Amino acid sequence: KAGVTQTPRYLIKTRGQQVTLSCSPISGHRSVSWYQQTPGQGLQFLFEYFSETQRNKGNFPGRFSGRQFSNSRSEMNVSTLELGDSALYLCASSPFQGMNTEAFFGQGTRLTVV
Amino acid sequence: AQTVTQSQPEMSVQEAETVTLSCTYDTSESNYYLFWYKQPPSRQMILVIRQEAYKQQNATENRFSVNFQKAAKSFSLKISDSQLGDTAMYFCAFRYGGSQGNLIFGKGTKLSVKP
Repeated sequence: KAGVTQTPRYLIKTRGQQVTLSCSPISGHRSVSWYQQTPGQGLQFLFEYFSETQRNKGNFPGRFSGRQFSNSRSEMNVSTLELGDSALYLCASSPFQGMNTEAFFGQGTRLTVV
Repeated sequence: AQTVTQSQPEMSVQEAETVTLSCTYDTSESNYYLFWYKQPPSRQMILVIRQEAYKQQNATENRFSVNFQKAAKSFSLKISDSQLGDTAMYFCAFRYGGSQGNLIFGKGTKLSVKP
């Protein structure tokens, strides 16, 4: 079974631009979560989607948004990029929601804002 | 608010030895899960072990085991017979019912296994 696939792996953008990151979950998984990882803040939860609906959202500004398609693939979008948005963005999929479900992570997209 | 604290930013251990990584958490929830994730240089996070708060027995997965002290809100990871492939960042994480699935992570411990 293929793992969680994130594209692209690396991205360089200029301040003020917008970016879209993609995540394809493991086949059959319906829950997709996004996390931002930085050296200073560590891993922070962005949002979670289940069955095309946003179920939970972290404490990030409205410039960060996402969506999930009927095939469970998910995209996250960041508009008006700032230097501080430079980070590793990780996507995780789970077969369903729940405390005890294992989250399977992708290798992440490294975003650099210059 | 739920918080997870890993007090050891970096640790090193000799190959074949045992090392323990510390994790404490703060919550008023009674039912929750705790996890240890490993992130090698390849960046892909991998689940190492999980523990349900209601289970008193400590979880074990091969060379990895935990010492779960619920009253003390402590969840340490013991790695026995350390191998070079264990070199990675290790993150302690917490999830409770109210979070609807999102993990709350500690800042991580960078473990280096030396030959």
